[in-house]
Amino acid sequence: EPEVTQTPSHQVTQMGQEVILRCVPISNHLYFYWYRQILGQKVEFLVSFYNNEISEKSEIFDDQFSVERPDGSNFTLKIRSTKLEDSAMYFCASRGGEETQYFGPGTRLLVL
Amino acid sequence: QKEVEQNSGPLSVPEGAIASLNCTYSDRGSQSFFWYRQYSGKSPELIMSIYSNGDKEDGRFTAQLNKASQYVSLLIRDSQPSDSATYLCAVEKTSYDKVIFGPGTSLSVIP
Repeated sequence: EPEVTQTPSHQVTQMGQEVILRCVPISNHLYFYWYRQILGQKVEFLVSFYNNEISEKSEIFDDQFSVERPDGSNFTLKIRSTKLEDSAMYFCASRGGEETQYFGPGTRLLVL
Repeated sequence: QKEVEQNSGPLSVPEGAIASLNCTYSDRGSQSFFWYRQYSGKSPELIMSIYSNGDKEDGRFTAQLNKASQYVSLLIRDSQPSDSATYLCAVEKTSYDKVIFGPGTSLSVIP
């Protein structure tokens, strides 16, 4: 069964450093999303991406965040200058037609 | 008003019993409704989707939707210890839209 994959599974970084979280969506999917979940809190939407551009972003997705689909398979989330409060699980999701979104296993980001 | 609300729990039920999870949402324009299961440290796993009023059954799971009351529920019959997890209610306004999650209800099934 096709699945969304994410790398790395865990990332530890120092405050102020840049991190890139990588996702490989399901191959024939066209819509891509990033969500995050701070420990003990709900899953929050960050950004959606379609046709090589952002279709919607939340208030969380400020200038420190960016997304990119650098080739036909990867979908990345970059945090330019990490803050302590960026520590969270980051989930990538993708969808094809009108079916629901499929979530990847997540990247646990810890900012020290 | 929060977009999607759930009782945080924890909800404890004995093995074999029916677990009932409830959710309300604020946007009347929401079209798609989902229940996800999330084990600690893992990603949300879709267990049920429902799009029209009424009941939808899949194995031991039954989702119920009442758009007039803006209410979604999930029943788990013959609860098993492996069902112990956090259950996330989620809604979507339109196809291809973002999914808005509730805070989740923690379910514990006691052997």
